[in-house]
Amino acid sequence: AQSVTQPDIHITVSEGASLELRCNYSYGATPYLFWYVQSPGQGLQLLLKYFSGDTLVQGIKGFEAEFKRSQSSFNLRKPSVHWSDAAEYFCAVDEYNNNDMRFGAGTRLTVKP
Amino acid sequence: DTAVSQTPKYLVTQMGNDKSIKCEQNLGHDTMYWYKQDSKKFLKIMFSYNNKELIINETVPNRFSPKSPDKAHLNLHINSLELGDSAVYFCASSPWDGVGRAGQGLNGGYTFGSGTRLTVV
Repeated sequence: AQSVTQPDIHITVSEGASLELRCNYSYGATPYLFWYVQSPGQGLQLLLKYFSGDTLVQGIKGFEAEFKRSQSSFNLRKPSVHWSDAAEYFCAVDEYNNNDMRFGAGTRLTVKP
Repeated sequence: DTAVSQTPKYLVTQMGNDKSIKCEQNLGHDTMYWYKQDSKKFLKIMFSYNNKELIINETVPNRFSPKSPDKAHLNLHINSLELGDSAVYFCASSPWDGVGRAGQGLNGGYTFGSGTRLTVV
């Protein structure tokens, strides 16, 4: 069965600093990978997704993620974090020939002024 | 116009009661889901329906019964509520048409509602 691991439960960065949130998956075939963001008291919003092709994908709000098959990773990055980016971030993987997505445990991002 | 709407947003009820949460999507999607998010923010799928047909039924107590009157609606009814049912419940939809993978295509991925915070006292 597939699994999604987000090794960092909580990350704190200063406003304006760069950000990288880690995501690893265990999966045999080519996965479909997603990053979602959840602001406090809100639902989940899709930031970006990877299906195939270019391994560097651009998303909304200035986020990008890079798929690295050799490392089974799909890390989320942003060059300069804004205070409004403070939220919970979830990596998710879509299993082949199935119809449900499985989510990692989430990484909570705190942004210091 | 909200794409996936859930009601109510908050629900406080006593143990043993029966309650329902409603979900509606106006995206024209074929598949809808219920997820449970526990106090540690972990998201776990409970059910999915494709065109009113139950597709996924994870290990969930049979006190939880989803009902899909049409493909735009997926309601969740919970009988005999217990303290451990306290959580945030999210409804979601996707364009999955019953073939292949839910996340495929340019429009792939799920659209989530804003959640229903259920508190059982």
